Amino acid sequence: QVQLQESGPGLVKPSQTLSLTCTVSGDSISSGRFYWSWIRQSAGKGLEWIGRIYTSGSTDYNPSLKSRLTISLDRSKNEFSLKMKSVTAADTAVYYCAGEIGKGYEKYWGQGTLVTVSS
Amino acid sequence: DIQLTQSPSFLSASVGDRVTITCRATQDIHSYLAWYQQKPGKAPKLLIYAASTLQSGVPSRFSGSGSGTEFTLTISSLQPEDFATYHCQQLDSFPPTFGGGTKLEI
Repeated sequence: QVQLQESGPGLVKPSQTLSLTCTVSGDSISSGRFYWSWIRQSAGKGLEWIGRIYTSGSTDYNPSLKSRLTISLDRSKNEFSLKMKSVTAADTAVYYCAGEIGKGYEKYWGQGTLVTVSS
Repeated sequence: DIQLTQSPSFLSASVGDRVTITCRATQDIHSYLAWYQQKPGKAPKLLIYAASTLQSGVPSRFSGSGSGTEFTLTISSLQPEDFATYHCQQLDSFPPTFGGGTKLEI
């Protein structure tokens, strides 16, 4: 059973960089069985797909966020990470990491972590 | 981006009821649609993918149908644990997008 766990600061100041890590257990992030993605959920906008990273290290980003995003892999730690720069209050949300199958269906999810952007 | 509209937004039902939730897309997404169940304070859980394929371990009272622009999630006989919020997601066009959710209440 694949399990994912998000970690990172719960409070980020406006204009700073949000950094989250997702630790994967039960599978190697290099196995190729899954793509690894980030999704967020805010009260105002519902669920929003942020981006994904493939085993190869290539990435897909939501065009609405692309200029501010970096998703990367750390194979030695079996982790992948999200960095979002220049955050504003609109980036306040619960952030989930997920493992995707097939066309991109989100099969496995982390428990989610609340990130609040506030000074 | 493709917009997904779920209806109804809120649904009151009773244990044993048959319920149907609809998800409509602004353009043809073929069968690249998923349904998720989310309970308060928890992550969404994949129920159905490719419009009608039941994810392993999901009870058979859940079913999905549709193609093109109109899709439905049906729960044949509601159980107490089914009261939750349901989301649809399209994977045909980039970026993937989600519907606004349907809250199913007792």
